[in-house]
Amino acid sequence: QTVVTQEPSFSVSPGGTVTLTCGLTSGSVSTTDHPSWYQQTPGQAPRTLIHSTNIRSSGVPDRFSGSILGNKAALTITGAQADDECDYYCLLHMGSGIWMFGGGTKLTVL
Amino acid sequence: EVQLVESGGGLVQPGGSLRLSCVGSGFTFSNYWMTWVRQVPGRGPEWVASIKQDGSTKYYVDSVKGRFTISRDNARNSLFLQLSSLRGDDSGLYYCARWDYGNPWYWLDPWGQGTLVTVSS
Repeated sequence: QTVVTQEPSFSVSPGGTVTLTCGLTSGSVSTTDHPSWYQQTPGQAPRTLIHSTNIRSSGVPDRFSGSILGNKAALTITGAQADDECDYYCLLHMGSGIWMFGGGTKLTVL
Repeated sequence: EVQLVESGGGLVQPGGSLRLSCVGSGFTFSNYWMTWVRQVPGRGPEWVASIKQDGSTKYYVDSVKGRFTISRDNARNSLFLQLSSLRGDDSGLYYCARWDYGNPWYWLDPWGQGTLVTVSS
C-alpha cells in the first residue's frame, strides 16, 4: 500500500527558511492529489494552512507557501518565527475517495 | 462563524459500540461533503470516513470498513459516526471536519475540537 511520507522532524533558525515535503512511497505527488497542509499546536485541532497545492487559507501569513517540488508537495516557511514551532501535516487524495495524511513533521525553531 | 461541535465520545469496552455526533453551524450543511478524522495523541491524524452531501456516497479507510458507519441528517445539520466492534487501536480523538472546495480542489476546513474515544476494559 502506498503511504504518504513526511520528514519526522526539521529544525530552522529564527528568520530562516525551511521547506517541508510530502511524498509518496510509490509514485509522484501532483496537483490532482489535492495537496493540503495543516498546522497543529499542542492540545488544538489542526488548522488549515495551504490548500489546492498553493492557496493560503484565510488569515495565514504570507511567509507560508505551497508548491510542487520535483515529485513531492512542499510547504515553505520563509522567515520562520518562534510560534511556527509545532507539527505540520499534509493530506493527499489517494484515489477512489480515499484520503491519507502524512505522518507529520515536528518543526523546531531555534 | 463556521463551527463544528462533536459529542458522544467516552470510555467503552473492547467489542462495544459508540455513536459520535457533530453539529455544524454558520454554513449550509447540506452543501458539503463531511468527514471524520481520528488522531491518537502524539501521532498524526488518520482519515476515517467521508459522506456526500445527500448521504448517497460514503468512503471508509480499510481498517474500519464493516465496523464503522458514517451518516448524516441535513435537517438537523448533523453528522454521525456509528462505531461498532471497537478495538484498542480505535482509541483516539475523533474530529469532525468539512470538505471545503474550490472546483476542482478539496480540503478540510474547518475542524471541530474533537471528541475522545477510549477503548479499554
